[in-house]
Amino acid sequence: GAVVSQHPSWVICKSGTSVKIECRSLDFQATTMFWYRQFPKQSLMLMATSNEGSKATYEQGVEKDKFLINHASLTLSTLTVTSAHPEDSSFYICSAHTLLSYEQYFGPGTRLTVT
Amino acid sequence: GIQVEQSPPDLILQEGANSTLRCNFSDSVNNLQWFHQNPWGQLINLFYIPSGTKQNGRLSATTVATERYSLLYISSSQTTDSGVYFCAVELNSGYALNFGKGTSLLVTP
Repeated sequence: GAVVSQHPSWVICKSGTSVKIECRSLDFQATTMFWYRQFPKQSLMLMATSNEGSKATYEQGVEKDKFLINHASLTLSTLTVTSAHPEDSSFYICSAHTLLSYEQYFGPGTRLTVT
Repeated sequence: GIQVEQSPPDLILQEGANSTLRCNFSDSVNNLQWFHQNPWGQLINLFYIPSGTKQNGRLSATTVATERYSLLYISSSQTTDSGVYFCAVELNSGYALNFGKGTSLLVTP
């Protein structure tokens, strides 16, 4: 089946620093990847849609200058949380479409803690 | 945007019991998926089911697209079935999934 990986699986950083999270489709090409955020005991909320070779589309209320997304290839998208604050602490999950079906596959998530 | 409502929000079952989880959505959809989120946060694909009925072992799902609802059946539940079950829909191909709030299931021995 289609496999999506994320790295790192968890990260702790100090307030004011930046953190990069990678999302890779391991056995398929993904022209579109999605980034979600999940707070404890809540559902997944879409942050942005990432298209290979073009600028990401951000959801209302998501600061594009704070959450930088780069989709440089058909198998890799990155999310950089810049100048992180404690309120950015959350579980970040990426997903990708395969080109062969409408089904979406999710990465295992990255747990970010900002101290 | 499209509304996705799941019920019940919480469910406690004894091992061996059966259960039905429901997902209502407010518009016609191109895609509907059921996921199980395990205790480590990983979303596991259960079914891609924009319409019709599918079965996979003890799990089955039915989507009635014309009436805008989907059901997930869990039979002979096991403690490993515990976790949160999400229904998510996609309005059009290539768009992101809209998630319901989930059903939190606890199966006790």
